[in-house]
Amino acid sequence: AQKVTQAQTEISVVEKEDVTLDCVYETRDTTYYLFWYKQPPSGELVFLIRRNSFDEQNEISGRYSWNFQKSTSSFNFTITASQVVDSAVYFCALKLTEFGNQFYFGTGTSLTVIP
Amino acid sequence: DTEVTQTPKHLVMGMTNKKSLKCEQHMGHRAMYWYKQKAKKPPELMFVYSYEKLSINESVPSRFSPECPNSSLLNLHLHALQPEDSALYLCASSQGRGSGVGTEAFFGQGTRLTVV
Repeated sequence: AQKVTQAQTEISVVEKEDVTLDCVYETRDTTYYLFWYKQPPSGELVFLIRRNSFDEQNEISGRYSWNFQKSTSSFNFTITASQVVDSAVYFCALKLTEFGNQFYFGTGTSLTVIP
Repeated sequence: DTEVTQTPKHLVMGMTNKKSLKCEQHMGHRAMYWYKQKAKKPPELMFVYSYEKLSINESVPSRFSPECPNSSLLNLHLHALQPEDSALYLCASSQGRGSGVGTEAFFGQGTRLTVV
């Protein structure tokens, strides 16, 4: 069975602090895809990043960075120098095939950045 | 352009009404999805269309009826809904082809549905 766990339900940080959102996944498949989505209060799910199971290269994009470790089945997301606009719910998701299959979403982490 | 457009943005309907939610994308994606999201919960998959054919139906009640008229459009027809069906309904699309390419889904802003 597939499962995505985001143990942090709510996080509050003060602006300019760094924050890491945790994601742990479970699957028996050897090929899979991992995603992070951001959902601001407006409701739209905004795609942030995709990682394939065969690509463990970590990535930095501006203030965002991602740490993918197959050995621990984790795909964590870090925001450096957080800003108020980063306040949103962040979802980690798992997909098993590249076509027509569903996304298994974690329960989400609500991030509040306090000015 | 990575836009998925949903209309209407808000909808209030009575339990005896019939209404439709609409979704449109012009990214050439061949997989389209309907999700239902309750407050403070993750999105729940309802339906997946692949190449205009229904490929996944997650045991959704028949009062929800999806339709995919062409590769750019996805509708969700609503009839005789219950108050517990009030939620945010999200449409998404993805390329759905090619190993490791274009697997992410792009979501619309959703329709906030209230059933009274």
